[in-house]
Amino acid sequence: TQLLEQSPQFLSIQEGENLTVYCNSSSVFSSLQWYRQEPGEGPVLLVTVVTGGEVKKLKRLTFQFGDARKDSSLHITAAQPGDTGLYLCAGAGTNAGKSTFGDGTTLTVKP
Amino acid sequence: DAGVTQSPTHLIKTRGQQVTLRCSPKSGHDTVSWYQQALGQGPQFIFQYYEEEERQRGNFPDRFSGHQFPNYSSELNVNALLLGDSALYLCASSPVGGEKLFFGSGTQLSVL
Repeated sequence: TQLLEQSPQFLSIQEGENLTVYCNSSSVFSSLQWYRQEPGEGPVLLVTVVTGGEVKKLKRLTFQFGDARKDSSLHITAAQPGDTGLYLCAGAGTNAGKSTFGDGTTLTVKP
Repeated sequence: DAGVTQSPTHLIKTRGQQVTLRCSPKSGHDTVSWYQQALGQGPQFIFQYYEEEERQRGNFPDRFSGHQFPNYSSELNVNALLLGDSALYLCASSPVGGEKLFFGSGTQLSVL
């Protein structure tokens, strides 16, 4: 069974601080996705990483895929209250529809 | 362009009852996947439908069944509801071979 472990489970910071959350797996995935989910909504895709060592930037968010394609990190610079939400990582094989999700990191950014 | 739409948004049932949840995929998408998200957990894959057939299935009992219609919309049926079936049920669509999943807002099912 492929498992994804995310850490920390909860994170509460002040506006303007930087943070990093992690996603670790015991297995290799063809691709790894990061999603953000707000209460009462479905997950929204932020990024897909495919190549080991890959780094992608989305404004203040930086995503990194480990060289062995078994772990990933999400770094947020100068966090804002609008970044508050549940951050989920998900691994997929050749079928993106059948993704394995971690349990997420709940981020709260206080004004 | 409408995204993935799910109905109903909320549902309350009692143990032993049956429930049907509905999903319309994003325009241009023909593959629908269903996920169960329990409180405090990430989504878990239930099954996927493509060309009106179940193509992949996760570790869920036969009480969970589905259907896909010619217009690509889909239904999730759960029989003999248990208290543990209380969760947010998410539908996601993608184009065939696509890497991106687009999720609906989900149906919050409460089993009393």
